[in-house]
Amino acid sequence: AQKITQTQPGMFVQEKEAVTLDCTYDTSDPSYGLFWYKQPSSGEMIFLIYQGSYDQQNATEGRYSLNFQKARKSANLVISASQLGDSAMYFCAMRDASWWGNEKLTFGTGTRLTIIP
Amino acid sequence: GAGVSQSPRYKVAKRGQDVALRCDPISGHVSLFWYQQALGQGPEFLTYFQNEAQLDKSGLPSDRFFAERPEGSVSTLKIQRTQQEDSAVYLCASSLGARTTIAKNIQYFGAGTRLSVL
Repeated sequence: AQKITQTQPGMFVQEKEAVTLDCTYDTSDPSYGLFWYKQPSSGEMIFLIYQGSYDQQNATEGRYSLNFQKARKSANLVISASQLGDSAMYFCAMRDASWWGNEKLTFGTGTRLTIIP
Repeated sequence: GAGVSQSPRYKVAKRGQDVALRCDPISGHVSLFWYQQALGQGPEFLTYFQNEAQLDKSGLPSDRFFAERPEGSVSTLKIQRTQQEDSAVYLCASSLGARTTIAKNIQYFGAGTRLSVL
């Protein structure tokens, strides 16, 4: 079974500062994918970034980067130069990537990020 | 539109009523997923389709929950004899499925249907 742990229920960060959201995971699957989603108050889950378990380099997408430490089973999201629009819930998720029949995502409980002007 | 569309956005039901929630996936997406998100929690998997085939329904909490995707496009999640514990946001997601590599098979979500059972 897969499990995602997000230990920060809420975070407050000053605008323009960088922020790190923690995510640890547990799985016995040899191949897996890790995802971060943003959920603003409107409710839609917005895909941010993806990291494959065999990827050699950390994923980056604009201001988002994923600090992937496979041995520690952690996949922290780093947001550089935070903006007011970054205020939202952030979810870490994972899926088995070894076969097509098992595409479901397992989510953590989320971190509520609030950017302070 | 270009994204996943869900309707209605909000649904209020009296306990014991049946409800039907609709999901229009992104055009061309093979895979479709339903998740349930309780207040203050992360989404939890309910069921999954590849085209019209329901490949996994292990997350459906009871036999009151039923999902279908008869033509491999639009999907409906039906909840019979609703109970208060069914109150949640129901999220639908779609992905390219086998048309891409497993690694790049990103799930894109709709805005959800918020169900309140009184």
